[in-house]
Amino acid sequence: EVQLVESGGGLVQPGGSLRLSCAASGFTFSSYAMHWVRQAPGKGLEYVSGISSNGGSTYYANSVKGRFTISRDNSKNTLYLQMGSLRAEDTAVYYCARVPPGDYWGQGTLVTVSS
Amino acid sequence: IQLTQSPSFLSASAGDKVTITCRASQAISSYLAWYQQKPGKAPKLLIYAASTLQSGVPSRFSGSGSGTEFTLTISSLQPEDFATYYCQQLNSYPITFGQGTRLEIK
Repeated sequence: EVQLVESGGGLVQPGGSLRLSCAASGFTFSSYAMHWVRQAPGKGLEYVSGISSNGGSTYYANSVKGRFTISRDNSKNTLYLQMGSLRAEDTAVYYCARVPPGDYWGQGTLVTVSS
Repeated sequence: IQLTQSPSFLSASAGDKVTITCRASQAISSYLAWYQQKPGKAPKLLIYAASTLQSGVPSRFSGSGSGTEFTLTISSLQPEDFATYYCQQLNSYPITFGQGTRLEIK
């Protein structure tokens, strides 16, 4: 059974940092590009960042470029998102997803940026 | 690439046929997916490659289009279909989503 399990969310002050993890199981993790997508409370889906299967290519939304860093450890079947210089507008549920094709998503982890 | 969904809100009754449109700001071939999302849940993939039904998704869902205009059609609404629907383009990075269409019971 394919599973994606996010962790690392929580409350952080503006300007702070947080690292999210996404533990994958049930499929060959190293064969798939992986992505982070977020959803602010009551809002739509927003693409955050993605990484190719071997980690050689990374992609970022303009809203997080220079502040967030995506990485992966294929030996540990884990995806990461290092978030820095956090702002109130980064408050959201963060999902990891196997895209393409988009068939598996984690349950999400809530990040709240507030003083 | 910007994706614009219409309508943003749709009120319909069980048994109705509904169509949601997604327009891309530039051509994206068939690199478009449709998702359904219910409150507090992760998005669920319905359609990929514009018209391919994801395994396990009921056949009342269908997708069409290519280039810049795409549609998601639900042929006969069931109670469990009332949710928010999003399109997503995978033609180029950054991947983008439409703003969503909220489908509610009339």
